[in-house]
Order: sequence, then C-alpha cells, then structure tokens
Amino acid sequence: EVQLVETGGGLVQPGNSLKLSCATSGFTFSTAWMNWIRQTPGKRLEWLAQIEDKSNHYFISYLESVKGRFTISRDDSKSSVYLQMNNLKEEDTAIYYCTHNNYWYFDFWGPGTMVTVSS
Amino acid sequence: DVVLTQSPATLSVTPGERISLSCRASESVDTYLHWYQQKPNESPRLLIKYASQSISGIPSRFSGSGSGTDFTLSINGVELEDLSIYYCQQGNSLPYTFGAGTKLELK
Repeated sequence: EVQLVETGGGLVQPGNSLKLSCATSGFTFSTAWMNWIRQTPGKRLEWLAQIEDKSNHYFISYLESVKGRFTISRDDSKSSVYLQMNNLKEEDTAIYYCTHNNYWYFDFWGPGTMVTVSS
Repeated sequence: DVVLTQSPATLSVTPGERISLSCRASESVDTYLHWYQQKPNESPRLLIKYASQSISGIPSRFSGSGSGTDFTLSINGVELEDLSIYYCQQGNSLPYTFGAGTKLELK
C-alpha cells in the first residue's frame, strides 16, 4: 500500500521558517519524481516544486513566486522528501501536500499538513 | 503559465442524472489534462488521466474527453457520494496548474 505522510506544519510568524517532511512507503522512491502542492483556504490548488530522480540528476523546478524562498530536497535512503520554507508570508497559509508525479499527473497524495502564517 | 478555466463554479445535481463539467485551457495542453475529485476533509484523488484514460478503482460512471484546449468530465448517473469538488490539472508545461474547481451540490 502506498503511503505518504507529511509532518512539520504549524503556526509560524511572518518572516520565520519552517521545514516540512514527507515520509513515503509502498513504491520505489529512488526513481520517483516528487512534488509539493498546496491548497489555500479558498480551496485553490497550487503546484510549488518538483524534484526528479537520480537518473535525471535530481533536477529541481519551482513555481516562480516561491523561488528563492522555498527549497525542495530528498533523501532516497529515507524515502523522504522535504520542503524548506523561509521568509514565510501570510499568503503562504495553506495545507501542504506531498505528491508522487507519475508522468505529469499526481497519482498519490499525502493527507497534508497545515501551515498557518500569522502574527 | 497555462490558465485553466472550469465551469460552472457550482453545479446543483439530482441523483441519477448525467452531468458534464468543463475545463478550458488558455493554450493547447494536448491531452496532458487530468481530473481530480476532492471530498470534504480529504486529499484530492486522481479520477481521469490524459483527458480520457480511466484509473483503476474509479467507478465507470466517470469519463473524460477532449484535447487541445477544451475538456469535459462526465458523470453518467450522479450518486450522492459524488458530491465533491472537481479539479482539472495540466501537465503539459511547467508550472503545472490547476483549475479553480467545480463544486457539485445537491439540488
């Protein structure tokens, strides 16, 4: 059974940082392309970042509006993917989902972790 | 970035009817268009891939069609469990983008 479980969300003040983790199981993580997607309080879904596998040199792509603030990374030995978020803003408040990208669609999603940015 | 426009925003339905949801892209995405269902307090679930390809475990009443810029998700015989938000997503080019969703509600 495929499982993805995000952790690390919480309440943080504007300007602060947070690191999200996603532990996975049930599929071959080392060859997987992993993504982070968020859902705003208004229910809008927004793709944030993608990290490809070793055969693609762990190539990384970002949504332009988070480039420079967010960093995606992975640890194949732990079947985990991470999202480091710096200089957080109130508009970053959302549920953050870890997803598996299967040739440009997202077939597996975690339950999500809530990030609230507020003073 | 490719903008996906879904219509209607909300659709009131009666169980048993056949319905169609629309997703239009601001430029061609070929058939790299995928559909998701999100029930309250759950993560999105993949319904249809590549515009019309079925997904294992998804009821056969769900079907998709289209290519280029115009796409349709159809539900043949809506059931109460289908009351959800439906999103389209394009995987043709980065950044991947989603439509704003269509919410199915009970008439």
